[in-house]
Amino acid sequence: EPEVTQTPSHQVTQMGQEVILRCVPISNHLYFYWYRQILGQKVEFLVSFYNNEISEKSEIFDDQFSVERPDGSNFTLKIRSTKLEDSAMYFCASEDVTSGFLREQFFGPGTRLTVL
Amino acid sequence: DQQVKQNSPSLSVQEGRISILNCDYTNSMFDYFLWYKKYPAEGPTFLISISSIKDKNEDGRFTVFLNKSAKHLSLHIVPSQPGDSAVYFCAASSPSGGYQKVTFGTGTKLQVIP
Repeated sequence: EPEVTQTPSHQVTQMGQEVILRCVPISNHLYFYWYRQILGQKVEFLVSFYNNEISEKSEIFDDQFSVERPDGSNFTLKIRSTKLEDSAMYFCASEDVTSGFLREQFFGPGTRLTVL
Repeated sequence: DQQVKQNSPSLSVQEGRISILNCDYTNSMFDYFLWYKKYPAEGPTFLISISSIKDKNEDGRFTVFLNKSAKHLSLHIVPSQPGDSAVYFCAASSPSGGYQKVTFGTGTKLQVIP
């Protein structure tokens, strides 16, 4: 069964460093998302991406964040200068635009980002 | 701003009994509601959904009920099985030109006791 994959599973970085989190969505999906979950808190929407541009972003997704689909398969989240409060699990999700009523987003296993 | 609320952080149920997980929302623009299940070290997995034009949707052991006037939905699992032990997230989305901005609740940790 097709699945969303994310790499790395765990990323440790120093405050102020840049990180790139990578995702490979399901191949025929056209909507892509990033969410994050700070430990013990809820899953929060960061950004949605369709047709090579951002559809919507939350207030969390400030100028330090960017997303890119550099080729036909990868979908990346970049944090330019990490802060301690960026430590969280980051989930990528993708959705088949033709899913009609179901509208199911498929989530990857997540990348745990630890900022020291 | 908690637009989707799950007031019970945890729930314990005996195997074979019914599990009822509750969720309240405040945004009347939400038109689609979902339940996701999450195991430790894994991403959320879609479980069941319901459109705002319906009040019930059933899929095997899982049934979601929607009460729009009360802005309340619930997930019923019957009979509950030990493998159902996980964190359950209620989620909601509103029309956004095709894509979905999903707003999640804080989750309820369900433990099914054998």
